[in-house]
Amino acid sequence: EPEVTQTPSHQVTQMGQEVILRCVPISNHLYFYWYRQILGQKVEFLVSFYNNEISEKSEIFDDQFSVERPDGSNFTLKIRSTKLEDSAMYFCASTWGQNTEAFFGQGTRLTVV
Amino acid sequence: EDQVTQSPEALRLQEGESSSLNCSYTVSGLRGLFWYRQDPGKGPEFLFTLYSAGEEKEKERLKATLTKKESFLHITAPKPEDSATYLCAVQASSNTGKLIFGQGTTLQVKP
Repeated sequence: EPEVTQTPSHQVTQMGQEVILRCVPISNHLYFYWYRQILGQKVEFLVSFYNNEISEKSEIFDDQFSVERPDGSNFTLKIRSTKLEDSAMYFCASTWGQNTEAFFGQGTRLTVV
Repeated sequence: EDQVTQSPEALRLQEGESSSLNCSYTVSGLRGLFWYRQDPGKGPEFLFTLYSAGEEKEKERLKATLTKKESFLHITAPKPEDSATYLCAVQASSNTGKLIFGQGTTLQVKP
């Protein structure tokens, strides 16, 4: 069964460092998303991406964040200068249509120390 | 503002004891309501999509229903393996496919 794959599963980084979280969405999907979940809190939308551009972003997704689809399979989230409050589980998701069900990866747990 | 509220926050059931989880939503034009299951430390796993009031979907011991203001996830004769957090999410017609999640209901089923 096709699945969304995320790497790494866990990343520890020092405050101020740059991190790149990687995702391989399901191959025939066209819409890509990043969400985050701070421990004990709701899953929150960060950004949606379609046709090689951002289609919507949340207030959380400030200038420190960027997304890229560098080739036909990978979808990345970059945080330029991490803060303690960026510590969370980051989930990548993909859909084949704009309002079809989203399939989520297993997440990357980011810990900023 | 689009909003999703789930209740109860936590639910403990004995194996075989049926119950329902509630998801109330306020959204500017509902495009779809989604139920997910989330195990600890894992990503949400898709269960159901509901698009219009009156719609129902079933899968094994789970049944999801939708009205104009809320959705219910009915669990019939649950087993310990149904223990998980159940998430409800909505898509508004005004946005680009993003999901707005509730805080979830954590279900524990004891043998």
